[in-house]
Amino acid sequence: QVQLQESGPGLVKPSGTLSLTCVVSGDSISSNNWWNWVRQPPGKGLEWIGEIYHSGSANYNPSLKSRVTISVDKSKNQFSLKLTSVTAADTAVYYCARGLGASTPNYWGQGTLVTVSS
Amino acid sequence: DIQMTQSPSSLSASVGDRVTITCRASQSINSYLNWYQQKPGKAPKTLIYAASSLQSGVPSRFSGSGSGTDFTLTIGSLQPEDFATYYCQQSHSTPYIFGQGTKLEIK
Repeated sequence: QVQLQESGPGLVKPSGTLSLTCVVSGDSISSNNWWNWVRQPPGKGLEWIGEIYHSGSANYNPSLKSRVTISVDKSKNQFSLKLTSVTAADTAVYYCARGLGASTPNYWGQGTLVTVSS
Repeated sequence: DIQMTQSPSSLSASVGDRVTITCRASQSINSYLNWYQQKPGKAPKTLIYAASSLQSGVPSRFSGSGSGTDFTLTIGSLQPEDFATYYCQQSHSTPYIFGQGTKLEIK
């Protein structure tokens, strides 16, 4: 079955760059799916960050677009998130997911907490 | 952006009750609507995709309906493990927006 696993530093300093990776198993990153990032601040709701296709084509949430880059590494079957100039407001659990914009089953990783603090 | 409004924001119910949660889109999204269940400290779990399709492994007491702007998630007979927060999400166009959530609590 399709599985996604996030990894990356759990603590990032203010003004720094948050970097996370999502490793995909049970599916090819080159399949006909878009690969997403979603975040959830503590005690709050879900916010879509962006998505990428294996071709490299990406869509971003306008609220974060100036600070976000999502990339794909087909050789490692994974995709990544970079968020620059972070502040405490970027503290959240970050999830990767497959196919949130499709009319097909979608899948989520277990999430990873990233705290922005000095 | 397409905005999503869920109601109610919270709900108290008993085991065995039939429960309905509503989600309204600010414009037509055809059937591009997903429903999720989330328990504390856990990732969202997909229940329904494309408005009415049951994700594999999800109990049949969960069902989804609607198209256009108005959608419902129905739990046919509440079980103890169903007490959680539920979110809708439009999958019609980016940015994909989630509803604010409905917290289902035990009465």
